[in-house]
Amino acid sequence: AQSVAQPEDQVNVAEGNPLTVKCTYSVSGNPYLFWYVQYPNRGLQFLLKYITGDNLVKGSYGFEAEFNKSQTSFHLKKPSALVSDSALYFCAVRDLGSSNTGKLIFGQGTTLQVKP
Amino acid sequence: DADVTQTPRNRITKTGKRIMLECSQTKGHDRMYWYRQDPGLGLRLIYYSFDVKDINKGEISDGYSVSRQAQAKFSLSLESAIPNQTALYFCATMGVGQPQHFGDGTRLSIL
Repeated sequence: AQSVAQPEDQVNVAEGNPLTVKCTYSVSGNPYLFWYVQYPNRGLQFLLKYITGDNLVKGSYGFEAEFNKSQTSFHLKKPSALVSDSALYFCAVRDLGSSNTGKLIFGQGTTLQVKP
Repeated sequence: DADVTQTPRNRITKTGKRIMLECSQTKGHDRMYWYRQDPGLGLRLIYYSFDVKDINKGEISDGYSVSRQAQAKFSLSLESAIPNQTALYFCATMGVGQPQHFGDGTRLSIL
């Protein structure tokens, strides 16, 4: 069965410092991986995706993610955190099971807290 | 205007009541999804639909039903609500080759 794990419930970082939010996955075959962000009282917003190609994927708001096949990881990164980056972050993998349904399997989410 | 609109945004109701959550979209996408979000569990898929005649169960469909009234509308019903269905519910749409696009959610509390 396919799965996604986000090992940290919360990540704390000072404004201006680099941030990393971790994600590992388990899939059969090639993974389609996604990061979403959720601000309070809002839905999930798409940040970036990895389908194939370059292992470093650039997304919205200065975020990027590094795909590492040998470590089955897809960590979200940003060189310099902003207080406004504080939110709940979800990693997800597309379920490529019986058919191309587009279904997503989500990790449990990581709260990012950026302090001034 | 929001591309994916969910109504109501908040709802408090009692055990045993029937509840309908509605989702409408202006994106023209065929695929629509209903998820529930619980703290520490992420989002889990309840139902999904590829068009008005194609509706499929997700991983946690028990206690829920859906209706795809038109390409743009996908409703989720709780026939007889129970407290452990208290959660945040999200509707999402998806176009070909695109990521899923989410509404702002419905916060449902069942007393």
